[in-house]
Amino acid sequence: QKEVEQNSGPLSVPEGAIASLNCTYSDRVSQSFFWYRQYSGKSPELIMSIYSNGDKEDGRFTAQLNKASQYVSLLIRDSQPSDSATYLCAANNDMRFGAGTRLTVKP
Amino acid sequence: KAGVTQTPRYLIKTRGQQVTLSCSPISGHRSVSWYQQTPGQGLQFLFEYFSETQRNKGNFPGRFSGRQFSNSRSEMNVSTLELGDSALYLCASSSRDTSYEQYFGPGTRLTVT
Repeated sequence: QKEVEQNSGPLSVPEGAIASLNCTYSDRVSQSFFWYRQYSGKSPELIMSIYSNGDKEDGRFTAQLNKASQYVSLLIRDSQPSDSATYLCAANNDMRFGAGTRLTVKP
Repeated sequence: KAGVTQTPRYLIKTRGQQVTLSCSPISGHRSVSWYQQTPGQGLQFLFEYFSETQRNKGNFPGRFSGRQFSNSRSEMNVSTLELGDSALYLCASSSRDTSYEQYFGPGTRLTVT
């Protein structure tokens, strides 16, 4: 069983819309969660970390964590074409990554 | 602060050869993790080193090995290369003792022919 699961997508949203990316994890021991963005041909870049239940906002990005449901999500408000990338979810337990969700924001 | 550096950036090897990749973490970071990324398998964890000790290991054959030096620099070695070892090899550093946030280097693109 995979430890971190993401919808593989691809996900396509129009410019200005909200993009919603989801991730579930299987190991209840995991305490911290991370979202990375990876542009094609580049290495992953950390964009958000979240440790407590609830929401954490950083600019246009909001991470949501629900430990009871073992679910973490990333919302991107006012999506821009420059947000087009693959988004990877990771849990701190051995830093396993999900397969990633490819997001395309169409102008 | 300088970021994570990896050398070489690109490498072409022949099946059966061995290869050594190098990673220098962010100054002050004592944890270095290695990942293999392929289009079909995504980002797969190889191993993590912290203070010169291997802390975690993924599900890779023994041909994949690593080590960490006292200055936290790390090397990864792959022996008896196979065609399927062609991938982007990424290393990431973390302070580990205060945060699990990892910062990735640019990667080494290995092609096995």
